[in-house]
Amino acid sequence: GAGVSQSPSNKVTEKGKDVELRCDPISGHTALYWYRQRLGQGLEFLIYFQGNSAPDKSGLPSDRFSAERTGESVSTLTIQRTQQEDSAVYLCASSPGGGTARPQHFGDGTRLSIL
Amino acid sequence: KNEVEQSPQNLTAQEGEFITINCSYSVGISALHWLQQHPGGGIVSLFMLSSGKKKHGRLIATINIQEKHSSLHITASHPRDSAVYICAVRFKGGSEKLVFGKGTKLTVNP
Repeated sequence: GAGVSQSPSNKVTEKGKDVELRCDPISGHTALYWYRQRLGQGLEFLIYFQGNSAPDKSGLPSDRFSAERTGESVSTLTIQRTQQEDSAVYLCASSPGGGTARPQHFGDGTRLSIL
Repeated sequence: KNEVEQSPQNLTAQEGEFITINCSYSVGISALHWLQQHPGGGIVSLFMLSSGKKKHGRLIATINIQEKHSSLHITASHPRDSAVYICAVRFKGGSEKLVFGKGTKLTVNP
């Protein structure tokens, strides 16, 4: 597609449920990032994938959070046993490679609300 | 501690005014990004720079590596420039992650 696509755009779920968020990067982009933006807060880095290298998971806030990416395609961010503090907009970005020295293209995000 | 500070936090201007938003960081970086987040939430990358100055239309970004400081300037501001402007840096030392400032909310009145 023309840009980074994220789905769903909105997700409302009950506390304790698992959720899975999807990101389709721009075709050919080898780098993929997940970020979180809580209401009224700045963006927080979660995880970074670069090609087939081991991902940088240093931003994941707890072991309830995990992410996968197969090759240079779709990525999924999974949050297990959701808590109310997980409510946020989850943003995905991709870039042609070269780590954060290249401009990133952002998706529109998934707004996650935990009841 | 690797930190990014932006100022001002909020900025209101009249259409046509020259705007400056500042970003300071604590230690050496390998790249600095300026991002624009529209009221609807979408984020657009404006600039990525590691030295000097870049210009795109009415936007200019500068960086002073020695002073650990970057500025984003908007000339002839327009109401459609109203958005949150975010500075993000990649600190030297290995990790690919970006560290973000808290953003500057700009409102340009007609």
